[in-house]
Amino acid sequence: KAGVTQTPRYLIKTRGQQVTLSCSPISGHRSVSWYQQTPGQGLQFLFEYFSETQRNKGNFPGRFSGRQFSNSRSEMNVSTLELGDSALYLCASSLRGDNNSPLHFGNGTRLTVT
Amino acid sequence: QQPVQSPQAVILREGEDAVINCSSSKALYSVHWYRQKHGEAPVFLMILLKGGEQKGHEKISASFNEKKQQSSLYLTASQLSYSGTYFCGTETNTGNQFYFGTGTSLTVIP
Repeated sequence: KAGVTQTPRYLIKTRGQQVTLSCSPISGHRSVSWYQQTPGQGLQFLFEYFSETQRNKGNFPGRFSGRQFSNSRSEMNVSTLELGDSALYLCASSLRGDNNSPLHFGNGTRLTVT
Repeated sequence: QQPVQSPQAVILREGEDAVINCSSSKALYSVHWYRQKHGEAPVFLMILLKGGEQKGHEKISASFNEKKQQSSLYLTASQLSYSGTYFCGTETNTGNQFYFGTGTSLTVIP
C-alpha cells in the first residue's frame, strides 16, 4: 500500500505570495490532518478534514485554509505569506479519524518564505 | 493545550533505559506516541486510550494515567535505532484533533 504522499517536497516563495500544498492519503483513509512543524514550536495542529468536511481547526490565522476532495485528497492553502510561515508542513491520514486510529504522516513539504 | 514533555533531551548508551513523560493540563481521551528520525516523517508507535492501560511494542511500552492526565513512554535496553525525537500527541475530544508536545530528543550512543 502506498503511503501518504505530499507534493511538492520543497517550495521557495516570496512574502505576500500564496501557496498550495497537496496531500494524497493512504487509500481508504478518510481523515486528513495538517500540521506545521518548526524547531521552536514543534508540531502545531492546523486543521482536520473528514469526508470533505472540516471537523477541527487549530489556532492559525484565516490565511491558512484547506479543503478535502471526494477522493480524500487534501490541499492546504496559505495566502499572503509571511516570513514566519517558513516551516515543514506535514499531512497525516488516518483510517477512521477517531482516537483509536494511528496517524500516518507524509514526508512533508518544506516551505521557505523569503 | 500543548502537552509538556520531559526531558527535552536525553543521551543514553546502548542497553540503558529511558522514560519520557507527557503531561496535559486538560482531560484526555487518548495519547499517541510517535518517533521522528532526522529528515523523516513521524512514525506511529502506540495509542493509549482512557483506562490507564499499559501497552507494549517490542522493548518500548507506555502507560496512561488519565487522573493525572499524564502518559509515560518507557524504552528498555535501548538500541542505536531508538535515536530520534519522540512526540506525544494528546486528544482532548473525540474529533481527531491532536496537540503534540515539543518533543524529546533521544540519542543512543555505542
